[in-house]
Amino acid sequence: SQTIHQWPATLVQPVGSPLSLECTVEGTSNPNLYWYRQAAGRGLQLLFYSVGIGQISSEVPQNLSASRPQDRQFILSSKKLLLSDSGFYLCALRTSYEQYFGPGTRLTVT
Amino acid sequence: GDSVTQMEGPVTLSEEAFLTINCTYTATGYPSLFWYVQYPGEGLQLLLKATKADDKGSNKGFEATYRKETTSFHLEKGSVQVSDSAVYFCALAAYSGAGSYQLTFGKGTKLSVIP
Repeated sequence: SQTIHQWPATLVQPVGSPLSLECTVEGTSNPNLYWYRQAAGRGLQLLFYSVGIGQISSEVPQNLSASRPQDRQFILSSKKLLLSDSGFYLCALRTSYEQYFGPGTRLTVT
Repeated sequence: GDSVTQMEGPVTLSEEAFLTINCTYTATGYPSLFWYVQYPGEGLQLLLKATKADDKGSNKGFEATYRKETTSFHLEKGSVQVSDSAVYFCALAAYSGAGSYQLTFGKGTKLSVIP
């Protein structure tokens, strides 16, 4: 079965600092991978998805970017964080008709 | 575009009460439907799914039936427990025009079960 790892679990960063969140998966090859953000008290917002190495689709224009340097690695980045970037970031992978989610990273921008 | 509407929370129930969380959707084509559950501080877990009309998904005492005629996928449980306290998300999955698979989520319903 598939396993999704996210690192770090929690992060507190000042406004204007850079960001790098990592997602790695095990137990599958060539997965479709997704980044979601969940703001406090709100639903999930799809940020990026990737169908393969180097292939990134952005759903929402903002100061975040994503990269997929390896088949099982998906990275979310920012050059300068905003207060509005605070939230719970979830990585997910898709198999057939289902999506499975990682444990998430709690980001607080101060 | 596709959308999912679920009942506003929070919902507070006593242990052993009956639970219904309403979910309706708008979609072109024939989406698959899901319920996810999120326990405090954790990611989302797939609770149950249905891939075609009249399918009933079930897991851990929860059930939901895919009703195409009413575009609904209501979540039910006959007797809730304190351990069911969580946020529940209804979602649909469909292929976009570009051929990519996308999940569309409702805003979530927070359930609190008190002893």
